[in-house]
Amino acid sequence: SQTIHQWPATLVQPVGSPLSLECTVEGTSNPNLYWYRQAAGRGLQLLFYSVGIGQISSEVPQNLSASRPQDRQFILSSKKLLLSDSGFYLCAWNLAPVEETQYFGPGTRLLVL
Amino acid sequence: AQSVAQPEDQVNVAEGNPLTVKCTYSVSGNPYLFWYVQYPNRGLQFLLKYITGDNLVKGSYGFEAEFNKSQTSFHLKKPSALVSDSALYFCAVRPSSGTYKYIFGTGTRLKVLA
Repeated sequence: SQTIHQWPATLVQPVGSPLSLECTVEGTSNPNLYWYRQAAGRGLQLLFYSVGIGQISSEVPQNLSASRPQDRQFILSSKKLLLSDSGFYLCAWNLAPVEETQYFGPGTRLLVL
Repeated sequence: AQSVAQPEDQVNVAEGNPLTVKCTYSVSGNPYLFWYVQYPNRGLQFLLKYITGDNLVKGSYGFEAEFNKSQTSFHLKKPSALVSDSALYFCAVRPSSGTYKYIFGTGTRLKVLA
């Protein structure tokens, strides 16, 4: 069966520090991968999605970036965190167009101080 | 612009009563529609989806949703609410062509009162 992992689960970082969040999927091949941010426990904002290695679509201009160095690995990064980067970061995968359902990871809660 | 609207921030319902969580959308073409649920400090869990076929879709935990093309709606329903249904519910849509991007609503918090 398929599994999606995210780490770390919780992170407290000072303003201006770098960031690296990792997401890995097990049990499938060639997934579409997604990074979302959820602020204040409400709506989801799509940050990046990838349909293949090295293919990244950015949805929101900001100080975040994403990379997909391997088929089932998706990394969210920042060189310098802002206070507004605080939030709950969710990774998801699916096999669209074959299977549309998105499967979400447990999330990373980021607090920038 | 393509969008999804969940007009209610919160819905309160008594246990045992029917519940409805509303969702309307604005996308071109024939959309794919989804409902997800989120419990505190967790990722989202899939409930149900409409891709094609019967307008009434049945999903997990006794939930169902009806696709109404003329009203561009996809309301989530359950005949008898449980306290354990209390959570944050998200409607999502993907235009059927051109992108694998999913648009999520702002979420509706469902509170089922004992």
